[in-house]
Amino acid sequence: EAQVTQNPRYLITVTGKKLTVTCSQNMNHEYMSWYRQDPGLGLRQIYYSMNVEVTDKGDVPEGYKVSRKEKRNFPLILESPSPNQTSLYFCASSPLGERTQYFGPGTRLTVL
Amino acid sequence: QQQVKQSPQSLIVQKGGISIINCAYENTAFDYFPWYQQFPGKGPALLIAIRPDVSEKKEGRFTISFNKSAKQFSLHIMDSQPGDSATYFCAASETGANNLFFGTGTRLTVIP
Repeated sequence: EAQVTQNPRYLITVTGKKLTVTCSQNMNHEYMSWYRQDPGLGLRQIYYSMNVEVTDKGDVPEGYKVSRKEKRNFPLILESPSPNQTSLYFCASSPLGERTQYFGPGTRLTVL
Repeated sequence: QQQVKQSPQSLIVQKGGISIINCAYENTAFDYFPWYQQFPGKGPALLIAIRPDVSEKKEGRFTISFNKSAKQFSLHIMDSQPGDSATYFCAASETGANNLFFGTGTRLTVIP
């Protein structure tokens, strides 16, 4: 089944404890992106990648890192999480040149 | 700054009624306008999309109306059903780009 998977789905952590949220797609898509969803703010892009080893900042990159060493994986790294990073995170992918983005199921992160 | 402005934030409609959600933009480089539907606990999924060379696109009970001169577009859901209860996001992207700019979302509730 063609899909975008994220792990973990739920995570509660404490301020300053490094964490990684994984994202993997099995559709051979070049483009991948991370968003955070907050009430009243909609979906805001954190980072995106046009292909392996090519990443760029979105609208809200502060406090986040990403890497794209393989085409299928695009992990989101929070080196020192803070409470204002408590949010619902989505990974998405699409083929280059095609506008439809395919979203993962989301990761709900709580930073205490 | 929100590149796509969406209203209303929430909407309650009786079963069988018409649901209307509006979006507006300023960036004239936008040439693709999708609507995404998100059910609780799920990631957003493409519902319907339009390009500015047409003023309307219809798929079943869902219609996008597009006004290029006013830089506005809207989603109409005819004969709204309880199963349509979800959060709806409008979005836009620039020519040749995969990146999407999302509105803030509308939570639709259809009352039986």
